[in-house]
Amino acid sequence: DTAVSQTPKYLVTQMGNDKSIKCEQNLGHDTMYWYKQDSKKFLKIMFSYNNKELIINETVPNRFSPKSPDKAHLNLHINSLELGDSAVYFCASSQDLLRRTEAFFGQGTRLTVV
Amino acid sequence: GEDVEQSLFLSVREGDSSVINCTYTDSSSTYLYWYKQEPGAGLQLLTYIFSNMDMKQDQRLTVLLNKKDKHLSLRIADTQTGDSAIYFCAESTPGSSASKIIFGSGTRLSIRP
Repeated sequence: DTAVSQTPKYLVTQMGNDKSIKCEQNLGHDTMYWYKQDSKKFLKIMFSYNNKELIINETVPNRFSPKSPDKAHLNLHINSLELGDSAVYFCASSQDLLRRTEAFFGQGTRLTVV
Repeated sequence: GEDVEQSLFLSVREGDSSVINCTYTDSSSTYLYWYKQEPGAGLQLLTYIFSNMDMKQDQRLTVLLNKKDKHLSLRIADTQTGDSAIYFCAESTPGSSASKIIFGSGTRLSIRP
């Protein structure tokens, strides 16, 4: 019955590799997000999708490419991983853009680049 | 641009009240939220307040909003060890094409015995 689920929960990889994080929500929400939480716990929005369309891209490097095959999924692909990409990545979803946008979060994916 | 600020740390004695403060800059903010993040977990919505409200109470939680000063606070009565977590203030303005939720830096609440 998980509302927003991300996989994997932990990801350890070497610099230069390409990796993907998957996210799925079963809430019927129209809007999905990716947030990055750094080691100081600062939480910054990366992307927002509404009905499979990109709405927000917050000056994220081109190495990060979100993909939304349908409105229930928003995957994050990262190319040429760098040490500074180490963080916890949270997927979230909210009902839609026109109503209250309280977001429901996944459990996070802790990415460690070595 | 939008900005949400919080103090980073708060320490209270068990049984006392905790008050976590937040200020925001976007005067068009419509919804203001408090999220809780326990160690190793995702963010959990605790409560929210609509911008035309001054106060909202939910069991041990009281949210106060001063829209003129753009100040939001979360009061936790009778703080327990299970309240230890990071508390994030957040704001959003739904209805715009750039609608998003902006988070503060989080306040780490620790409980002293």
